Amino acid sequence: DQQVKQNSPSLSVQEGRISILNCDYTNSMFDYFLWYKKYPAEGPTFLISISSIKDKNEDGRFTVFLNKSAKHLSLHIVPSQPGDSAVYFCAASGSNTGKLIFGQGTTLQVKP
Amino acid sequence: EPEVTQTPSHQVTQMGQEVILRCVPISNHLYFYWYRQILGQKVEFLVSFYNNEISEKSEIFDDQFSVERPDGSNFTLKIRSTKLEDSAMYFCASSLREGAKNIQYFGAGTRLSVL
Repeated sequence: DQQVKQNSPSLSVQEGRISILNCDYTNSMFDYFLWYKKYPAEGPTFLISISSIKDKNEDGRFTVFLNKSAKHLSLHIVPSQPGDSAVYFCAASGSNTGKLIFGQGTTLQVKP
Repeated sequence: EPEVTQTPSHQVTQMGQEVILRCVPISNHLYFYWYRQILGQKVEFLVSFYNNEISEKSEIFDDQFSVERPDGSNFTLKIRSTKLEDSAMYFCASSLREGAKNIQYFGAGTRLSVL
C-alpha cells in the first residue's frame, strides 16, 4: 500500500535551522492530512493537521503546506530544536472513512 | 491532559495462544481504532469501532481478530490463535469524530512478541 509516501528515511539539521519533511500521496479522495511525531517506546503524538480546503496551517514553530495539484504536503519546523529529534509520520484520511493511512516515516535528527 | 492508555506494555506469548490487548480510550471520544506496526514497516490500520460495532476493518483483520468494548471505558483487541507474524507493536487510538478533522490520539502501544 503506497498511497502515502515519505521518500526520505532520514534528515539531519542543525539546531536553529529549518527542518522540512515531505510527503506525497496518490489517492485524490484524501481530504485530511496529519503529521505525527513518535519517540522510541511511545505512540504517535499528534502535531498538526490540514484540511484539503486549505493550503497552509500554522501552529507555533510548525507549519504544514498542502499542494493538492501535486498531491504533496510538507512540514516545516522553524527553528528546529534538539527535542524535535524523532520519527515524523505523515498520515491521510478521506471523509467517508475513519482510517488513517500512514507514510513510512522520516527520522529527524536535530544537532545542537 | 487526557490520554489513551494501553496495557500491557509488552506481551510475550507462545504461538497458538490467545492474547487480549487492552486500551482505555479518552473518555469523551466516540471512535476507537487499532493499528499495528511490524518492525521496520509502516503503521497499518486494523479496525475501527463506533457505537458498539466494527465500522471498518482491513484485510489484516481476519477471523483470528476480534474487538470488544466490554464496559464504558475499556476497548480490547483479541487475537485467538497467535502466529509468529503477529509479532508487532499494537497501537490503540481514539477520536471524537470521524472524517474531516479526525484527529486520532494514540496510546504508547503494546509490544506483542509471539515465540
